[in-house]
Amino acid sequence: DTAVSQTPKYLVTQMGNDKSIKCEQNLGHDTMYWYKQDSKKFLKIMFSYNNKELIINETVPNRFSPKSPDKAHLNLHINSLELGDSAVYFCASSQEGPRLAGELFFGPGTRLTVL
Amino acid sequence: AQKVTQAQTEISVVEKEDVTLDCVYETRDTTYYLFWYKQPPSGELVFLIRRNSFDEQNEISGRYSWNFQKSTSSFNFTITASQVVDSAVYFCALTTAYNNNDMRFGAGTRLTVKP
Repeated sequence: DTAVSQTPKYLVTQMGNDKSIKCEQNLGHDTMYWYKQDSKKFLKIMFSYNNKELIINETVPNRFSPKSPDKAHLNLHINSLELGDSAVYFCASSQEGPRLAGELFFGPGTRLTVL
Repeated sequence: AQKVTQAQTEISVVEKEDVTLDCVYETRDTTYYLFWYKQPPSGELVFLIRRNSFDEQNEISGRYSWNFQKSTSSFNFTITASQVVDSAVYFCALTTAYNNNDMRFGAGTRLTVKP
């Protein structure tokens, strides 16, 4: 009964490859996110999806493309992987609403290593 | 713009010492929400607490306590009688009612509790 799940947990790949990370939440939340955590532990928001609509798109390269087939899923596809993409990617979800500002529920993270 | 500053990069204490982790925030919104998250060595991100800008009452939960002071824009976290299991990276975060799907994190404070 995992709340937010991500697959795979580890991803090792060569530069130039295309890869995807999948995320699913079973909490019934309206909003899902992708965060990137670099080697210094800094957490930076990449994307936010509310009811399948993109509402935040931080200045990430367009090689990164989020895909949300439904409210419970938010996948991250990365084209032409670069060394600098190596990081831990966290999916998260929250309950949406102007007065709620609920906490984020995070997935376990996907450690991406680009060789 | 919203910003969270955690000036302490690393803190090391000996078990049973008290330790305070500092968090200073910036926002122009009058309604906002502050959070603390814990990231133990295993890597997951665990929600600890949420406070809204209208509630300056301090909170205590077991050995954990939080001191919210709007006058100094601070939301500090104190661990009393620290234990080795408290060793983790702790993140302070901020979101606002205007933009509650955009949670901004501080850089984190790495706490090491030595036996």
